[in-house]
Amino acid sequence: KQEVTQIPAALSVPEGENLVLNCSFTDSAIYNLQWFRQDPGKGLTSLLLIQSSQREQTSGRLNASLDKSSGRSTLYIAASQPGDSATYLCAVLGTALIFGKGTTLSVSS
Amino acid sequence: SQTIHQWPATLVQPVGSPLSLECTVEGTSNPNLYWYRQAAGRGLQLLFYSVGIGQISSEVPQNLSASRPQDRQFILSSKKLLLSDSGFYLCAWSTGPKRNIQYFGAGTRLSVL
Repeated sequence: KQEVTQIPAALSVPEGENLVLNCSFTDSAIYNLQWFRQDPGKGLTSLLLIQSSQREQTSGRLNASLDKSSGRSTLYIAASQPGDSATYLCAVLGTALIFGKGTTLSVSS
Repeated sequence: SQTIHQWPATLVQPVGSPLSLECTVEGTSNPNLYWYRQAAGRGLQLLFYSVGIGQISSEVPQNLSASRPQDRQFILSSKKLLLSDSGFYLCAWSTGPKRNIQYFGAGTRLSVL
């Protein structure tokens, strides 16, 4: 049974810092891995999708990497801003889309 | 372009009352449709998915049911709500094989009191 773990559960950083969010999964038989952003009480916004054959994806200040063999992914956020404050969810697609519990990020100005 | 609509945005219901949450998708045909729930302090959990009209698969046993009366309509229901049904419900759609990206609605926050 696939399990997805995200560390840390919460993170507070000052504006301008570079930061890394971690995601690990137990079953490497996946089609893809996605990173989402969730603002309080709102739906999900897809940030990056990495297919199983890819190693990384980049969008603006965001870079996500995937190491399928070790069951790990990282989301790197460069030059963090207060507007980046949200919960970041990692999800892997195998036989179903399984989500981690998320990392709640707070960026102070 | 494709859009997904969920309503209502928030809902407060007494224990034992019925529930009906609706999700519709526009701009695509024969989508795969999904219902997820996010309970307080827990991750998102897949409840149901559907690959076509009248075809529903349940991922976890629970007090809820789902129906797909039309190609782009997905309904989440309950005959009698429990306190544990409180949470944030998200509908999503995808096209083609299940490995395609899923797009999510804005969600419904359900409070059962």
